[in-house]
Amino acid sequence: SYVLTQPPSVSVAPGQTARIPCGGNNIGSKTVHWYQQRPGQAPVLVVYDDGVRPSGIPERFSGSNSEHTATLTISRVEAGDEADYYCQVWDSSSDHYVFGIGTKVTVL
Amino acid sequence: EVQLVESGGGLVKPGGSLRLSCAASGFTFSSAWMSWVRQAPGRGLEWVGRIKSRTDGGTTDYAAPVTGRCTISRDDSRKMLFLQLNSLKTEDTAVYYCSTGGVGRYLTFDYWGPGLLVTVSS
Repeated sequence: SYVLTQPPSVSVAPGQTARIPCGGNNIGSKTVHWYQQRPGQAPVLVVYDDGVRPSGIPERFSGSNSEHTATLTISRVEAGDEADYYCQVWDSSSDHYVFGIGTKVTVL
Repeated sequence: EVQLVESGGGLVKPGGSLRLSCAASGFTFSSAWMSWVRQAPGRGLEWVGRIKSRTDGGTTDYAAPVTGRCTISRDDSRKMLFLQLNSLKTEDTAVYYCSTGGVGRYLTFDYWGPGLLVTVSS
């Protein structure tokens, strides 16, 4: 089955840029989606189709996808961005949905 | 406004069964593909299974850890989604979320319920 790889944690100072990588075999050929999950809350879709923001998501959130790594970028990080972030794809070979293990973003 | 609200769950003994329900509103439920996603305590998100809309065949697919033990069904007339999980194991302990991409969106989870804790323990 398809596997997505994320670092367990990323730390960033307020006002700086956080980059969260998501790796997978030939991930550039897939469409990647990103979710933010604050403690005790349900996940929220923050980027879909590699780099599209849903309505209501700040422009500070952006996404990109290349051959082996997709990246969620959070610019001008704020304390409220502290959360777990998950990448997700649909694996066409199995017709299943796959999540990465999640990356905890800590704002220093 | 899209709303998904799970019910059921609680404490269940190993080997037992659970049936969760999800009440949907705010969108054309009959046209949406619906999924269950779970999250074990302190762990990441895990897709459990999906049911397609009736017009797309109404078929179901399940993740490997629950295949053979899990049945997802829907009642479009009541806008309800169901999850039946049998032969429960302690590793089925998790918060279970009802989720969907909404109408016409099949690859993302745009909307989520608040989640429901299921604890499998003797």
